[in-house]
Amino acid sequence: DIQMTQSPSAMSASVGDRVTITCRASQGISNYLIWFQQKPGKVPKRLIYSVSSLQSGVPSRFSGSGSGTEFTLTISSLEPDDVAVYYCLQHSSYPLTFGGGTKVEIK
Amino acid sequence: EVQLVESGGGLVQPGGSLRLSCAASGFTFSDHFMDWVRQAPGKGLEWVSRIRYRSDSYSTEYAASVKGRFTISRDDSQNSLYLQMNSLKAEDTAVYYCARSYSGTFMFYLDVWGKGTTVTVSS
Repeated sequence: DIQMTQSPSAMSASVGDRVTITCRASQGISNYLIWFQQKPGKVPKRLIYSVSSLQSGVPSRFSGSGSGTEFTLTISSLEPDDVAVYYCLQHSSYPLTFGGGTKVEIK
Repeated sequence: EVQLVESGGGLVQPGGSLRLSCAASGFTFSDHFMDWVRQAPGKGLEWVSRIRYRSDSYSTEYAASVKGRFTISRDDSQNSLYLQMNSLKAEDTAVYYCARSYSGTFMFYLDVWGKGTTVTVSS
């Protein structure tokens, strides 16, 4: 199975800060990488697919990058509405595997 | 409106069975693979199962943790997805989400999720 290691597991940042979350795959996954946002008590929401394609309706402050085994989700300017847990998902091979999640809070 | 609505969750004793359903609307259900994903209380997301569409012979995939106990199926005439869960264990306790999946492109891959149905396995 491909292991997806997310870092950090939790972070606190100020409004307006640039936030970067990393996801590392245990083997190459090409561009089969999705980022989800899950707000407290809510359903996961797809933010980014195919590493860097922005989901329709998602603010442009969210972006994704990376290749091979290392990927990042960047929030260019953190807003209060971005408080959530963020998950990466690889769909290169079965079983699909999620990262452990990154909890983002406002300082 | 594209929508997925799960049902069938509840409290079941260890070793028991449940059948989850997911009703789809607002899109061409038969054009998509469909997935189940679960989330144990206070934990992260875990992919559970996938069923492909008719042209791929409705073939299926499972996580190792459920293989041999869970069976995914679909009825395209009813726009419905199912998950038959047998030999349930305490560690199967979770919110179960159905999600729209692959359709020939990744544009709609896991882009729509239902609100989930809660399964609790306890004596």
